Amino acid sequence: QSALTQPPSASGSPGQPVTISCTGTSSDVGGYNYVSWYQQHPGKAPKLMIYEVSERPSGVPDRFSGSKSGITASLTVSGLRPEDEADYYCSSYAGSNKLVFGGGTKLTVL
Amino acid sequence: EVQLVESGGGLVQPGRSLRLSCAASGFTFDDYAMHWVRQAPGKGLEWVSGISRNGVTVVYADSVKGRFTISRDNAKNSLYLQMNSLRAEDTALYYCAKRARSTWYLDYWGQGTLVTVSS
Repeated sequence: QSALTQPPSASGSPGQPVTISCTGTSSDVGGYNYVSWYQQHPGKAPKLMIYEVSERPSGVPDRFSGSKSGITASLTVSGLRPEDEADYYCSSYAGSNKLVFGGGTKLTVL
Repeated sequence: EVQLVESGGGLVQPGRSLRLSCAASGFTFDDYAMHWVRQAPGKGLEWVSGISRNGVTVVYADSVKGRFTISRDNAKNSLYLQMNSLRAEDTALYYCAKRARSTWYLDYWGQGTLVTVSS
């Protein structure tokens, strides 16, 4: 049950795109289309941003998108806005009714 | 409106026990699996445990297996986490989260309850 691997930090200027990666194994990310992404602002609960690799819940801006290739999933934020500055966590189904999270990426809007 | 309200956190000595509760409202509780996720101070999210709709299937992270017990009372719309033999490394904000039906993501989260294990 090892955590998924995310870069500790990412950054971009307003209006620019940024992509955050999430690397797992064939037993989690690579084995299922059940990757989700959560946004967490300081002192707040996580908020679902992407589910099932690339689906966006209602109310989430369409500048957020997700994808997956092999054992690596990605979250792309196009057209960065100041309010996008937050921590982002990926998660995947890991088999046997278990979930696994990534270590988190702190996104800074320059 | 879906609401998940955790309670029961606090300061506890190593080796002691604590029981967390999560009161759910705004949805048909017994239609959904539920999970606990924790976050140590300044650290990332860690999945802790999950329970099926009827409570028959329960699963745990290796880090808590044998010490924590998840349960639910569908009549009371409540989720629980019994934590025994607590360790300093269990210190964290514990979130209750609802899993979306027939899939594997957490669509609603509570605000968390803080557990501090210290002598």
